[in-house]
Amino acid sequence: DIQMTQSPSSLSASVGDRVTITCQASQDISYSLNWYQQTPGKAPKLLIYDASSLETGVPSRFSGSGSGTDFTFTISSLQPEDFATYYCQHYDNLPSLTFGGGTKVEIK
Amino acid sequence: QLQLQESGPRLVKPSETLSLTCTVSGASIRSSSYYWGWIRQPPGQGLEWIGSIYFSGTTYYNPSLKSRVTISVDTSKNQFSLKLSSVTAADTAVYYCARLKGGWLQAFDYWGQGTLVTVSS
Repeated sequence: DIQMTQSPSSLSASVGDRVTITCQASQDISYSLNWYQQTPGKAPKLLIYDASSLETGVPSRFSGSGSGTDFTFTISSLQPEDFATYYCQHYDNLPSLTFGGGTKVEIK
Repeated sequence: QLQLQESGPRLVKPSETLSLTCTVSGASIRSSSYYWGWIRQPPGQGLEWIGSIYFSGTTYYNPSLKSRVTISVDTSKNQFSLKLSSVTAADTAVYYCARLKGGWLQAFDYWGQGTLVTVSS
């Protein structure tokens, strides 16, 4: 089974900061990696699919990059509504869908 | 606007079967472009994929839950359902239904609001 290791598990940042979250796969997964945002009491929201494609309607301050085993999710300028938990998610042809452990972005 | 809504008992006794239904509105579940799925999230924890289904009835399950899970579809009602047998307290979670974009089990682009199911006697 492919394991997804997301880091950090939490971080503190200020409005306007650049925030970076990483997700590492235990083996090569090409570009099969998505990113979600979840605010308390709400369902997750898809932000990035296929490693770097921005979902329709998602602000351009969100971006993703990477391929193979190492992936990065970036918020270029953190906004008040961005304080949330972010998850990476891998998919493959087994098929299997696996989520990372999550990164909680908190107000500094 | 596509909407998904979970429904079913919120309290299930240990060893019994958890049953939930997802009603899809705003689009036909028979669309050939999408799979549909269930995800759960124990309180304060991360997300876990349970399984997915195509309108034809083709199903795929998380291997860790496969022996206890059945997902079915009722295209006449535009619904799909989840059954999880022999539940324990570890199955207490918010259960979400969602649509998968990409013509395969790729990314969940529309989600229901989720429903908390508690396993307790």
